Amino acid sequence: DAGITQSPRHKVTETGTPVTLRCHQTENHRYMYWYRQDPGHGLRLIHYSYGVKDTDKGEVSDGYSVSRSKTEDFLLTLESATSSQTSVYFCAISESGRVAFFGQGTRLTVV
Amino acid sequence: AQTVTQSQPEMSVQEAETVTLSCTYDTSENNYYLFWYKQPPSRQMILVIRQEAYKQQNATENRFSVNFQKAAKSFSLKISDSQLGDTAMYFCAFILNDMRFGAGTRLTVKP
Repeated sequence: DAGITQSPRHKVTETGTPVTLRCHQTENHRYMYWYRQDPGHGLRLIHYSYGVKDTDKGEVSDGYSVSRSKTEDFLLTLESATSSQTSVYFCAISESGRVAFFGQGTRLTVV
Repeated sequence: AQTVTQSQPEMSVQEAETVTLSCTYDTSENNYYLFWYKQPPSRQMILVIRQEAYKQQNATENRFSVNFQKAAKSFSLKISDSQLGDTAMYFCAFILNDMRFGAGTRLTVKP
């Protein structure tokens, strides 16, 4: 299995609080992605990174920010969590698009 | 941005029979990768099969094969000799730089 871990795996937070999810890889892959998964929508891309400090928006980026200061870490931050951000979040890594590996997912509940 | 469409929200098949899941996509690019992922109830994303757009030959992986029609922008997945363990959500994905997914097809294999 590819070396990719997400933390935390589960989190419950209150509306209005900041939340940071971490994705860590040991594969030295160039591309890293953050997705949210909701029923009926599949996986929707939030942000992705194509190198250290190089990031771009996906299709549902409002309310989210990311940072990548090291090749191995890609952080997703909800500046002020809302109930609509309750979801399962997946991180993925890829090298040149030939194959992509996924983390185990983080279930985030905003109450 | 590229889009991926899976028009079959749910499908079912009898054990040992064959089923085909549909996927279409939209892009103006010529070189890209296409994937099918399986997501069982464990929520883990499992790579089923991949196809490079520059290859005309359809990819095959044991009981799984694809029908890749580049001009029609179609990428269907055929599962032969369906097994109970094939019951899962199936997602079609397109990778160029970012990676986009369809909404998924829930497949149930009936005994």
